[in-house]
Amino acid sequence: EAGVAQSPRYKIIEKRQSVAFWCNPISGHATLYWYQQILGQGPKLLIQFQNNGVVDDSQLPKDRFSAERLKGVDSTLKIQPAKLEDSAVYLCASSPIARRGDYEQYFGPGTRLTVT
Amino acid sequence: QKEVEQNSGPLSVPEGAIASLNCTYSDRGSQSFFWYRQYSGKSPELIMSIYSNGDKEDGRFTAQLNKASQYVSLLIRDSQPSDSATYLCAVNKGATNKLIFGTGTLLAVQP
Repeated sequence: EAGVAQSPRYKIIEKRQSVAFWCNPISGHATLYWYQQILGQGPKLLIQFQNNGVVDDSQLPKDRFSAERLKGVDSTLKIQPAKLEDSAVYLCASSPIARRGDYEQYFGPGTRLTVT
Repeated sequence: QKEVEQNSGPLSVPEGAIASLNCTYSDRGSQSFFWYRQYSGKSPELIMSIYSNGDKEDGRFTAQLNKASQYVSLLIRDSQPSDSATYLCAVNKGATNKLIFGTGTLLAVQP
């Protein structure tokens, strides 16, 4: 079974530029998550989709970050304009529809963003 | 109080010893608990999940859950240098499938 795919793996941009990340979840997984992981910290949830709908985007900085999940499969996360503090690894994860409270999430390889 | 707390380490153990990693959480409504392993420069990899009080064993790994004490731990038996990594504890928030991660414990297994 193929895992979660992400691209690009690395991106370097200047502040105030825009950037987009792409994610393809594990086949059949209804729920997709975008996380931000800053060096030395655990992943922090930015946005969660179930099929096409947003379940939780309470920690997404909506003035500069946006995300969409078209047709309930692939997703893109965009930052515009980027700030220095956005330098982090952006992780995409997916999970099947939760049964009896089991919410196992599987991560993609991540995109390392450096904002200069 | 952080929602999920872990000692950042490093926790240093000799090869062949038992490594014990601990995690506490604040939300009494949490029902699902996970341990992820993260090698430097890599993404988190799920290694254990536990949903009921008690122990759950999988190979050299044992997860322990005590909901009354709001405590979850991971034991690694016969530690190997390849186990050297950061171990992240994750707990679901309330009745949702939103996971809250700790900051991770860095484990170093000395040959």
